[in-house]
Amino acid sequence: EIVLTQSPATLSLSPGERATLSCRASQSVTSFLAWYQQKPGQAPRLLIYDASNRASGIPARFSGSGSGTDFTLTISSLEPEDFAVYYCQQRSNWPPLTFGGGTKVEIK
Amino acid sequence: EVQLLESGGGLVQPGGSLRLSCAASGFTFRNYAMSWVRQAPGKGLEWVSIISGSGDTTYSADSVKGRFSISRDNSKNTLYLQMNSLRAEDTATYYCARDRSNWNGDFDFWGQGTLVTVSS
Repeated sequence: EIVLTQSPATLSLSPGERATLSCRASQSVTSFLAWYQQKPGQAPRLLIYDASNRASGIPARFSGSGSGTDFTLTISSLEPEDFAVYYCQQRSNWPPLTFGGGTKVEIK
Repeated sequence: EVQLLESGGGLVQPGGSLRLSCAASGFTFRNYAMSWVRQAPGKGLEWVSIISGSGDTTYSADSVKGRFSISRDNSKNTLYLQMNSLRAEDTATYYCARDRSNWNGDFDFWGQGTLVTVSS
């Protein structure tokens, strides 16, 4: 089973700042990594698939990069609606499909 | 507009059974694999099961294998999760999620979830 480790667990930033979230895989997932955003009381929303492709309707301030075992989700300038929990997920070697433990982006 | 609406959650005793449903609309249901993903209160996401668009291939997480069964009725555009021998650790919100294609393994649309509580 591929284990995904996200860091940091919590990121405290102000609106307008840049957010950089990390996801590390226990073995290579090539580029088969997705990122999701989840707000309290809501279902997750797909942001990025295959490491760097924005899903439909996702603003350009969200970008993904990386390959192999190290991946990054960057939010270039935080909007108030971006404060949420973010999860990475791999589809390289499954079953099982696996998620990271999440990074909470909170208002500083 | 793609819509996924889960139902069937509730309170059940340990060892009991429950069947969840997910009614899909706004897309050609049979063309997409579907999954169940759960989230224990205050915890992260855990993939549970996946079924191909035709329904002939399924996989499940080890934590539910032999107890949970995923199925679908393409004539009714509905996904199911039969949960047997429920345990306290199965307490979670259960989401149905549409595969981004047929058998990609990531999820582009999610339902709002249905809460399952296993407790005596």
